Amino acid sequence: AQKVTQAQTEISVVEKEDVTLDCVYETRDTTYYLFWYKQPPSGELVFLIRRNSFDEQNEISGRYSWNFQKSTSSFNFTITASQVVDSAVYFCALSEAWVSASKIIFGSGTRLSIRP
Amino acid sequence: GAVVSQHPSRVICKSGTSVKIECRSLDFQATTMFWYRQFPKKSLMLMATSNEGSKATYEQGVEKDKFLINHASLTLSTLTVTSAHPEDSSFYICSGQVRQGAGYEQYFGPGTRLTVT
Repeated sequence: AQKVTQAQTEISVVEKEDVTLDCVYETRDTTYYLFWYKQPPSGELVFLIRRNSFDEQNEISGRYSWNFQKSTSSFNFTITASQVVDSAVYFCALSEAWVSASKIIFGSGTRLSIRP
Repeated sequence: GAVVSQHPSRVICKSGTSVKIECRSLDFQATTMFWYRQFPKKSLMLMATSNEGSKATYEQGVEKDKFLINHASLTLSTLTVTSAHPEDSSFYICSGQVRQGAGYEQYFGPGTRLTVT
């Protein structure tokens, strides 16, 4: 069965600090996708990244970076120099790859608060 | 990216009435659409998967007679909450799936907040 665990329920840091959101996943699939989504108070899901299981390269996009470690089944997300606008709930998620009607399994989310 | 809309964005209804939520893919054809439910401060839970022109597949524990899903076209799926009760109050999010390259992409709508009084 597929499962995504985000052990950190809530994180609060002061602006400009770096923060890492942890994500551990379980799957028996050999090919799969991993995602991160941001959900601001408005509720709309904002897509941040999708990584397929064949690609273990870390990715950096501005202040955001992702560390994919297949050996530990982790896909952690780091925000560098955090800003108040980063305050939101962040979801890590998993789905089968290249399969039609593949459902996305979400973690329980991490509520990130950035204090000015 | 592709755009999915939901209507209404917010709805308040009285207990015992039914309410319909529309999910539209605006610039692509979605052969598959998904409906998720999110309770306050909780994660998104998949309710059902719907394929155009066929019956929806419901997740375990989701009452198909209560949450009616219709996927009449490649751009429209509807979720009808029948005989709504206060415990049905939730945030409902749909997504549309489209084939891209060798794989599939899923695009989420902005969500519909349902309050049953």
